[in-house]
Amino acid sequence: DAGVTQSPTHLIKTRGQQVTLRCSPKSGHDTVSWYQQALGQGPQFIFQYYEEEERQRGNFPDRFSGHQFPNYSSELNVNALLLGDSALYLCASSLLAGTDTQYFGPGTRLTVL
Amino acid sequence: RKEVEQDPGPFNVPEGATVAFNCTYSNSASQSFFWYRQDCRKEPKLLMSVYSSGNEDGRFTAQLNRASQYISLLIRDSKLSDSATYLCVVRGPSGSARQLTFGSGTQLTVLP
Repeated sequence: DAGVTQSPTHLIKTRGQQVTLRCSPKSGHDTVSWYQQALGQGPQFIFQYYEEEERQRGNFPDRFSGHQFPNYSSELNVNALLLGDSALYLCASSLLAGTDTQYFGPGTRLTVL
Repeated sequence: RKEVEQDPGPFNVPEGATVAFNCTYSNSASQSFFWYRQDCRKEPKLLMSVYSSGNEDGRFTAQLNRASQYISLLIRDSKLSDSATYLCVVRGPSGSARQLTFGSGTQLTVLP
């Protein structure tokens, strides 16, 4: 039973560039949430996708956008990268009709130079 | 004020010690409560859910006080392998689409 997978594992970009991160949820899960974790901080909620729609959004600018595909996988896009976007980006999957448990992927470490 | 606040770390304790972490949350309508564990440069992993009646899992005991909006985690007989960052996590009220709000984490180092 495959867990949550994310790609790539590491990424280096420069300011102003755009990046796309990918996530495949745990088998049987239909909901994907994205979190940003800066060094020394807890993860912060970016947004959640269910049925290919953004269901809820945290306090992040419109530069952060996402998508969910019919197979429940998801992408996180960040435009016009800033130095402050350097962080670990975590994807978590869950079953909307199930328990509260969210399972996290290993994350993508983004460095913006 | 942060939505979820935890003890500032780090905690350095000897093997076999008992250590307690505390956490407070600001939204009284919060529905669910958890402790996650995060090893260095890894993803958070669910340690245990926290219930009002208190719950125990081996050496770990979690307590929730809804009136005080306070959550605790007690680790008994600590092991070297318990060294990690412990994250207090709260899920918002119904309709919040299972958004998790994390504290900043408390770092624990168990020393030989």
